[in-house]
Amino acid sequence: EAQVTQNPRYLITVTGKKLTVTCSQNMNHEYMSWYRQDPGLGLRQIYYSMNVEVTDKGDVPEGYKVSRKEKRNFPLILESPSPNQTSLYFCASNSLAGAEGTDTQYFGPGTRLTVL
Amino acid sequence: AQTVTQSQPEMSVQEAETVTLSCTYDTSESDYYLFWYKQPPSRQMILVIRQEAYKQQNATENRFSVNFQKAAKSFSLKISDSQLGDTAMYFCAFMKTHSGTYKYIFGTGTRLKVLA
Repeated sequence: EAQVTQNPRYLITVTGKKLTVTCSQNMNHEYMSWYRQDPGLGLRQIYYSMNVEVTDKGDVPEGYKVSRKEKRNFPLILESPSPNQTSLYFCASNSLAGAEGTDTQYFGPGTRLTVL
Repeated sequence: AQTVTQSQPEMSVQEAETVTLSCTYDTSESDYYLFWYKQPPSRQMILVIRQEAYKQQNATENRFSVNFQKAAKSFSLKISDSQLGDTAMYFCAFMKTHSGTYKYIFGTGTRLKVLA
């Protein structure tokens, strides 16, 4: 089954304690993204990757890091979380290989993060 | 910079009726993709419909159709024969890739409630 998985699904942590949210896809997609969703703001792109070792900033990258060492994995790292990073996070992947419909993003189930 | 605007924070419709959700966007690009996503209470992001900007024909998917007006930069979603399961948050999204960038811009969402 084609899917994007994220772990953990729920996380409560304290300010300053480093954390990593994992993301993995089994569709051999080149493109992967991280988003955060906040009430009244919709989804905002944090970082994206267009292939292994190729990453770039989205619209709200401050306070986050990512890496893409393998095609299937795209972890999101919060080195020193702060309360304003409390949010719902989504990982997504897609392929832009040119075939009809391959520009469609597949989303993970979301990670609810609370930073106290 | 591209922007996506959904001017209707909340809407309601009677079961079996038709409803239209509005979306406008701003871009200087000529080639891009537009999407409508549905987010039910489960929080999962589900693709409803997609439209390539170079295609003049409006996309349709069963009860869902769009009215794409490229010159006016408008991309509304029409839901026919509304069902209780259509109750969800709906997000309009713009996507563009070029010159090594991959941008996904979402609107702030419209919360739709289908009434029995």
